[in-house]
Amino acid sequence: GQNIDQPTEMTATEGAIVQINCTYQTSGFNGLFWYQQHAGEAPTFLSYNVLDGLEEKGRFSSFLSRSKGYSYLLLKELQMKDSASYLCARSYNQGGKLIFGQGTELSVKP
Amino acid sequence: DGGITQSPKYLFRKEGQNVTLSCEQNLNHDAMYWYRQDPGQGLRLIYYSQIVNDFQKGDIAEGYSVSREKKESFPLTVTSAQKNPTAFYLCASNQLNYGYTFGSGTRLTVV
Repeated sequence: GQNIDQPTEMTATEGAIVQINCTYQTSGFNGLFWYQQHAGEAPTFLSYNVLDGLEEKGRFSSFLSRSKGYSYLLLKELQMKDSASYLCARSYNQGGKLIFGQGTELSVKP
Repeated sequence: DGGITQSPKYLFRKEGQNVTLSCEQNLNHDAMYWYRQDPGQGLRLIYYSQIVNDFQKGDIAEGYSVSREKKESFPLTVTSAQKNPTAFYLCASNQLNYGYTFGSGTRLTVV
């Protein structure tokens, strides 16, 4: 989707830390969203970055570098319920539409 | 409570048939969106509307049509011209550049 790239799948162990990367084209960039989606359900909002730096929210943190067109989602103290797809999405200066990456399927194993 | 409602949850379509998916929101959001999601894939934008009586094509508009006669409603019609309609369809709304509120989705299957 308009050159938003993230890994297709990742595996991690319960209790560990995992980082999911996302790169995007910087032209017209406004903000970067991360969503969590469990199978068969609608995505749920995790984080929003519009300025460079790290935003921390409990076990989840998100980082943005606008000059590099790069973001990551950091999940700490992984739990089995964190097994889901994680979607990176960007917004544009003009209008409010979001363009999504293909999603990263995270499997958390005991 | 405010929210966004999609119906039906499951829909079956015969070959050559048009079907309409409903999306209603009571959040007073100006913008509404339709996305399609195929297994193991991200969301692809079909159509979006930023104001009543106006809408724009997204990345995969062919075979689909929409209307925006009321602020609260943004129905999507999957026409017979859409040759591979089986997918999970998500409706969303937002205000300005804030994040989306999603509906619970409609799973469309061709039989």
